[in-house]
Amino acid sequence: DAGITQSPRYKITETGRQVTLMCHQTWSHSYMFWYRQDLGHGLRLIYYSAAADITDKGEVPDGYVVSRSKTENFPLTLESATRSQTSVYFCASSDPGDADYSNQPQHFGDGTRLSIL
Amino acid sequence: GENVEQHPSTLSVQEGDSAVIKCTYSDSASNYFPWYKQELGKRPQLIIDIRSNVGEKKDQRIAVTLNKTAKHFSLHITETQPEDSAVYFCAASESGGSYIPTFGRGTSLIVHP
Repeated sequence: DAGITQSPRYKITETGRQVTLMCHQTWSHSYMFWYRQDLGHGLRLIYYSAAADITDKGEVPDGYVVSRSKTENFPLTLESATRSQTSVYFCASSDPGDADYSNQPQHFGDGTRLSIL
Repeated sequence: GENVEQHPSTLSVQEGDSAVIKCTYSDSASNYFPWYKQELGKRPQLIIDIRSNVGEKKDQRIAVTLNKTAKHFSLHITETQPEDSAVYFCAASESGGSYIPTFGRGTSLIVHP
């Protein structure tokens, strides 16, 4: 979906460096998510945000930092990259709706393939 | 919290056959069940979803069934084609609750021409 964009698409860096992955959505969805995808593990939730200035940990948050000062942006930072953080990272957004039975699907970005040497 | 089990992890079929992927969930409060398809090197994309007030939903060659009592839901693909080859993920979430979806680990579907 063109409404959610991730940058960069590919990144190679070295251990110990700080890396920031960007995510921008144009739908004004309240919820945004960061996942990492590794072979055999499916999609694992790193952090999510229910609204601007509200963030919470997911399944695998260690080594990652997020912020959400604006509804449309949700950057993910690896403060000191390690080889175990080599992965494909997906950002997603969704709108939970405002009534029962109104959950909406997630819309994913194209992903960032991150390699840490 | 919610736990979603997905089976099989790999499914190989001949073109024209049917394919069935099954997921079970643990939280009886879950009421929204989407299925995503992820082609190689691409993003996951929604292909069909079902809510707990419905037992079955169809969209052309794909269908999803939900059994709330047994807490399982399944994806059915009929007349499979090579372009159906992809990884399929199921998910479960609860509106009005934590909302955060829990994903299954994925099924790699291979359709042989």
